[in-house]
Amino acid sequence: GQNIDQPTEMTATEGAIVQINCTYQTSGFNGLFWYQQHAGEAPTFLSYNVLDGLEEKGRFSSFLSRSKGYSYLLLKELQMKDSASYLCAVSKGGGNKLTFGTGTQLKVEL
Amino acid sequence: DAMVIQNPRYQVTQFGKPVTLSCSQTLNHNVMYWYQQKSSQAPKLLFHYYDKDFNNEADTPDNFQSRRPNTSFCFLDIRSPGLGDAAMYLCATSREASGEWEQYFGPGTRLTVT
Repeated sequence: GQNIDQPTEMTATEGAIVQINCTYQTSGFNGLFWYQQHAGEAPTFLSYNVLDGLEEKGRFSSFLSRSKGYSYLLLKELQMKDSASYLCAVSKGGGNKLTFGTGTQLKVEL
Repeated sequence: DAMVIQNPRYQVTQFGKPVTLSCSQTLNHNVMYWYQQKSSQAPKLLFHYYDKDFNNEADTPDNFQSRRPNTSFCFLDIRSPGLGDAAMYLCATSREASGEWEQYFGPGTRLTVT
């Protein structure tokens, strides 16, 4: 089976930096994905990590440690529109099947 | 623009009345997925097609079936919807190729069962 854990809720201030952690236990690991999902909408792709290390894409960065089963998503220069649920998802096996964590609801405040 | 399209966006059906949700894609991706997402929960994979090969998840109820008549289209059939099947149904696609991992999601169909 797979266990994917991430905090349920986080609150941060506009303009600040926030780090959302994700830990997982799985076999047949392909990679780890981060998706953003606004209420009532489909998930949108943010980043993925296949190898250990940091991937940076604009205001968003994601880190992976395969040996520790750990990833984080770093959001810089927070904006109000970043208030959303952030889903950590593990890909395993053929067909790139995703198993999602329950998501971290981020609230950005003034 | 190339995209994943789901119709309808909102579907209301009666308890026990069969319903079909559709997904189409212009990305020419060889893999298509159906996820179920209930309120305040994570998306849960129901099944996926790798080309024409159907792959069912072990815990997907028999009430859920799927068809993929060609590369572009994929259907989700719920044979006898129950109240517990009310959810957002998400279709996604990906291209199984070296270095390509992203899954592209459609906007979803929100199913209500009355």
